[in-house]
Amino acid sequence: QKEVEQDPGPLSVPEGAIVSLNCTYSNSAFQYFMWYRQYSRKGPELLMYTYSSGNKEDGRFTAQVDKSSKYISLFIRDSQPSDSATYLCAMRGGGADGLTFGKGTHLIIQP
Amino acid sequence: GAVVSQHPSWVICKSGTSVKIECRSLDFQATTMFWYRQFPKQSLMLMATSNEGSKATYEQGVEKDKFLINHASLTLSTLTVTSAHPEDSSFYICSAREMGNEQFFGPGTRLTVL
Repeated sequence: QKEVEQDPGPLSVPEGAIVSLNCTYSNSAFQYFMWYRQYSRKGPELLMYTYSSGNKEDGRFTAQVDKSSKYISLFIRDSQPSDSATYLCAMRGGGADGLTFGKGTHLIIQP
Repeated sequence: GAVVSQHPSWVICKSGTSVKIECRSLDFQATTMFWYRQFPKQSLMLMATSNEGSKATYEQGVEKDKFLINHASLTLSTLTVTSAHPEDSSFYICSAREMGNEQFFGPGTRLTVL
């Protein structure tokens, strides 16, 4: 079992829809959870950063962490074609500095 | 703020040669820098962690003699791929972190070894 599981997609939704992206993980030591957006052949861009369980909202983006279920989510409201990208979940904890990434979900927003 | 640059953005080299990739934090001092590798349709895999002025810590399975990392200043880290082979062709991405803050990634360097 991989440490972080993420459905690679592609996930295709119409413009304006609410998008739900998810990751599960197995390492209970993870405490910091991040979502990155990556366009093709570019470096990842940090979207959301949360610590431990709970919700965090930033504009059209909402991140949720449920440590009891080892499950994290990213919601995108009023999705736009420019949101089309690969979304990577990442996490760290247990004294490790580096991030453990999911495989990324390829999201396509249809105009 | 929190801009990280990488140079070159892409490089093509012959098998057996060495390639150096630079990672710079442009508007902050990075106490820690990280090097990741990403194969097509795969996730980023951490290769090594480096703190300024000390030796890098390599992840299991990453050859330290093949992937030389130098973090000589708070704004610059370099990754040298020695005696590169076609299987080393990949997208190499660095990230940098100030004390206590999150990692910000560079734009990546695409290495193709012929």
